[in-house]
Amino acid sequence: EAGVAQSPRYKIIEKRQSVAFWCNPISGHATLYWYQQILGQGPKLLIQFQNNGVVDDSQLPKDRFSAERLKGVDSTLKIQPAKLEDSAVYLCASSAGTGAYEQYFGPGTRLTVT
Amino acid sequence: GNSVTQMEGPVTLSEEAFLTINCTYTATGYPSLFWYVQYPGEGLQLLLKATKADDKGSNKGFEATYRKETTSFHLEKGSVQVSDSAVYFCALSASPLTGANSKLTFGKGITLSVRP
Repeated sequence: EAGVAQSPRYKIIEKRQSVAFWCNPISGHATLYWYQQILGQGPKLLIQFQNNGVVDDSQLPKDRFSAERLKGVDSTLKIQPAKLEDSAVYLCASSAGTGAYEQYFGPGTRLTVT
Repeated sequence: GNSVTQMEGPVTLSEEAFLTINCTYTATGYPSLFWYVQYPGEGLQLLLKATKADDKGSNKGFEATYRKETTSFHLEKGSVQVSDSAVYFCALSASPLTGANSKLTFGKGITLSVRP
């Protein structure tokens, strides 16, 4: 079974530029999560989708971050404009449902904002 | 709100030493508890989990027991190997009975290095 795919793996941009990350979850997984992991900290949830609907985006900085999950499969996370403090690893995870289902993580995208 | 506190790191041990990594949590109700591991150059993967009080999760020689009375989920291994060198994260998922969603709340993580 293929795991969670993410691209790109690395991205370097200048502040005020825009960037987009892509995630393809495990086939059949209804729930998709985006987490932000700043160096030296644990991952923090940015947004959670159930199929193509948003369950929780309370921690998403909506003035600059946006995310969508068209057709309930792939998802894209965008940052526009980027700030220095957005430098982090962006992790996508998926699970078969909500509750105590295991979350499977992708390899992450390491973003550096200069 | 929910939170997870892990002991400060990093931790360096010799091969075959005993390992304990402390984890305590704050949450309402009965959360599910997890240990995730991140090996060098790889993504996060689930190591073990426990979904109710007194449950013991185990995998690859690692164990952790869900202690509601002390709100703890300490990770232990009797004899570590060089291949166990990684970053370990304790995490919780709120109880669905509280109406909360299934997002994971993570601790800061701790780096374990095992010397030959």
